[in-house]
Amino acid sequence: DAKTTQPNSMESNEEEPVHLPCNHSTISGTDYIHWYRQLPSQGPEYVIHGLTSNVNNRMASLAIAEDRKSSTLILHRATLRDAAVYYCILRVNSGYALNFGKGTSLLVTP
Amino acid sequence: GAVVSQHPSRVICKSGTSVKIECRSLDFQATTMFWYRQFPKQSLMLMATSNEGSKATYEQGVEKDKFLINHASLTLSTLTVTSAHPEDSSFYICSAASGGAAYNEQFFGPGTRLTVL
Repeated sequence: DAKTTQPNSMESNEEEPVHLPCNHSTISGTDYIHWYRQLPSQGPEYVIHGLTSNVNNRMASLAIAEDRKSSTLILHRATLRDAAVYYCILRVNSGYALNFGKGTSLLVTP
Repeated sequence: GAVVSQHPSRVICKSGTSVKIECRSLDFQATTMFWYRQFPKQSLMLMATSNEGSKATYEQGVEKDKFLINHASLTLSTLTVTSAHPEDSSFYICSAASGGAAYNEQFFGPGTRLTVL
């Protein structure tokens, strides 16, 4: 499986935008880029996914580099409830499980 | 989004006993369910993949006779930890998927915290 690299931790002020980077230099043409997040003591939740084009939904935006070797999850206005571990994951087929790396632990301060 | 429930949310048991954890997809049919465990300060580790009506596929290092998985219907999978020991204490999380496309999201349960005394 193609691997992803994320910073271990990031910090943001409340109501500021947050840009969470992910490198995936060995991504293949059929890999979708998925982002999940895990709040403390909860199961992960889906955030967003994309293939080539930038994507927006009510939770976040996903900016994908033209060469697809990196992507950035954008939280437009961080809230305290956004404090979580964010995982960037590549998926070929949903029949296979998600391979969780270490993710980025986001701290949001008031 | 779809909802996946787990029961119980928290369980404490004595060493040597067995514990069953249920995972249900409440509003969709899950062709595939996954079981993960997560130790403190660590990421999720896949334990097994189960497809309805067939035997589960276990990851390397996970004992299939210790962690029994049953996926009898499209909405229910169970994980039984047999002869539990303190080192089995962990956060167990299930997820469910419907459809076979790479763009399909997975839906996770809230997790079950198992403590073995």
